[in-house]
Amino acid sequence: AQKVTQAQTEISVVEKEDVTLDCVYETRDTTYYLFWYKQPPSGELVFLIRRNSFDEQNEISGRYSWNFQKSTSSFNFTITASQVVDSAVYFCALSEGSGGGADGLTFGKGTHLIIQP
Amino acid sequence: EAGVVQSPRYKIIEKKQPVAFWCNPISGHNTLYWYRQNLGQGPELLIRYENEEAVDDSQLPKDRFSAERLKGVDSTLKIQPAELGDSAVYLCASSLGTPSRGGELFFGEGSRLTVL
Repeated sequence: AQKVTQAQTEISVVEKEDVTLDCVYETRDTTYYLFWYKQPPSGELVFLIRRNSFDEQNEISGRYSWNFQKSTSSFNFTITASQVVDSAVYFCALSEGSGGGADGLTFGKGTHLIIQP
Repeated sequence: EAGVVQSPRYKIIEKKQPVAFWCNPISGHNTLYWYRQNLGQGPELLIRYENEEAVDDSQLPKDRFSAERLKGVDSTLKIQPAELGDSAVYLCASSLGTPSRGGELFFGEGSRLTVL
């Protein structure tokens, strides 16, 4: 069975600090996809990134970066120079199989990130 | 481009009453999902549609929940009768459904249900 664990329930940092959100997953499939979504106070989840199990290359997008390590079953998300607008709940998600995630996602419980000015 | 539209945004009902939620997905998205999000939890998949066909309803409590997607566009999720434990946010999402774009879901703002 697939499972996603986000051990950090809430993180609070001061603006401009770097922050890393942890995600650990469990799956027996060799083919799977990992995702991060952002849920601002409005409630609408926003897609951030998708990674397949065969691509362990780290990715950087502006102030966001993702570190995928199959050896530790982790897919961590780092925000550099955090801003107040980054305050939201962040979800890590997993989808098994080769469907790319189209079959539906299994979400973690989320990490509430608070950026203080 | 219009996003996923859901209504109502908020609904308060007495237990044992019926309730329905409506979703209009992004134009051209053939895959539609209904998720339920309990307070402090991540979304959980209830049902997935490919066009008008429900291809995965294994997590839908069929004794009281039903859903339909007529003509493969709009969808309605119904609960009858509602129970206290049904209080949650019901999220609708849509996607192109292709492997290359799979998992890139576009979510609506959700319908928050409170059952008293």
